[in-house]
Amino acid sequence: NAGVMQNPRHLVRRRGQEARLRCSPMKGHSHVYWYRQLPEEGLKFMVYLQKENIIDESGMPKERFSAEFPKEGPSILRIQQVVRGDSAAYFCASSRARSGGTDTQYFGPGTRLTVL
Amino acid sequence: AQSVAQPEDQVNVAEGNPLTVKCTYSVSGNPYLFWYVQYPNRGLQFLLKYITGDNLVKGSYGFEAEFNKSQTSFHLKKPSALVSDSALYFCAVTTSGTYKYIFGTGTRLKVLA
Repeated sequence: NAGVMQNPRHLVRRRGQEARLRCSPMKGHSHVYWYRQLPEEGLKFMVYLQKENIIDESGMPKERFSAEFPKEGPSILRIQQVVRGDSAAYFCASSRARSGGTDTQYFGPGTRLTVL
Repeated sequence: AQSVAQPEDQVNVAEGNPLTVKCTYSVSGNPYLFWYVQYPNRGLQFLLKYITGDNLVKGSYGFEAEFNKSQTSFHLKKPSALVSDSALYFCAVTTSGTYKYIFGTGTRLKVLA
């Protein structure tokens, strides 16, 4: 049973370019969460999506960041016009049902974004 | 506001000795508590969780954690540490009806041979 998959694992972008991060949840999971981990810090919630719906994007910067989880295909976290401060590890997690304790979030290996 | 504290940036322990990684939390309502482990350049692996019931929770790789409501703590323990346990450990909390996990800043565990 494959776990949460993320690609690419490493992504290098120059300032002003776009970054697209992909996440395929575990089989049978329809809830996806994105977190960001800055160096030497814990993970910070960014956005929660179900298929075709953004449920909560309160942790996402208002500009340049967007997320989607289409009916078919992986969830995408998109960062436009990247800046050096966007350099971080971005983790995706999935759960079978809405995670409120009883349903554990399982994490992918992360995408490490470096902005030059 | 919900928060998690991991007071130790790093814990060193000799192989074969017991280990403890500390975690305290602050939430409104009943907490759901989790431990994850992160190996270098890898994602977070789920170790164990406390939802309700017995205060002592057993998880993967011989780890266990004790929920202490009065001290608002959820310390991770293992009776005998292995060198391969060396990694970064994260404690997280959420509550019923929410889905945002609040993570601590992590504790780096070093098990010395």
